[in-house]
Amino acid sequence: KNEVEQSPQNLTAQEGEFITINCSYSVGISALHWLQQHPGGGIVSLFMLSSGKKKHGRLIATINIQEKHSSLHITASHPRDSAVYICAVLEYTGNQFYFGTGTSLTVIP
Amino acid sequence: DTAVSQTPKYLVTQMGNDKSIKCEQNLGHDTMYWYKQDSKKFLKIMFSYNNKELIINETVPNRFSPKSPDKAHLNLHINSLELGDSAVYFCASSQDGNPRTPTYNEQFFGPGTRLTVL
Repeated sequence: KNEVEQSPQNLTAQEGEFITINCSYSVGISALHWLQQHPGGGIVSLFMLSSGKKKHGRLIATINIQEKHSSLHITASHPRDSAVYICAVLEYTGNQFYFGTGTSLTVIP
Repeated sequence: DTAVSQTPKYLVTQMGNDKSIKCEQNLGHDTMYWYKQDSKKFLKIMFSYNNKELIINETVPNRFSPKSPDKAHLNLHINSLELGDSAVYFCASSQDGNPRTPTYNEQFFGPGTRLTVL
């Protein structure tokens, strides 16, 4: 079993919809990352969280340390949001990174 | 200005060869990473260097050796290439000096190097 599980694996949405991607993990962590990988392959770091909530534009990331769960929300989704979203956690010793298998999002105009 | 750069972007080579991938960051970060993304798009960390010291070394074959001449560079040398080494390799960097800074541990990724072993 993977230390980091994401759901859903694939997601198709209509432009304008509110989107939620979930990430659950089984290890103690010091930080959780949300990454975005575009169809061209480039990877961008969206958020790094250790508690609470962060917002950047239409993106919101939350984390519940007790429940070992994080969500990435996209408001007013747009076709340019189409990408793979990857959740990654830094284990609390700082020596291990674990990655989810990614959520492939397609936003249809 | 490119923050994290990798060369080459594409690398096609024969099995058994030795090759290197270079990574440079101009962000002044003190930690650099190498990741491997396989054909199933699963991303896995290989190495991490902090101030020229190896701090993560996942269970990768010893044919892979990271070399950090200074904290702005982390090169990946691969000896005796095998078919299974074909993947996209990403370099990244982060500033881990002060956990209170907003960008603490935020990683910046290079564009990736697609390695194909024939």
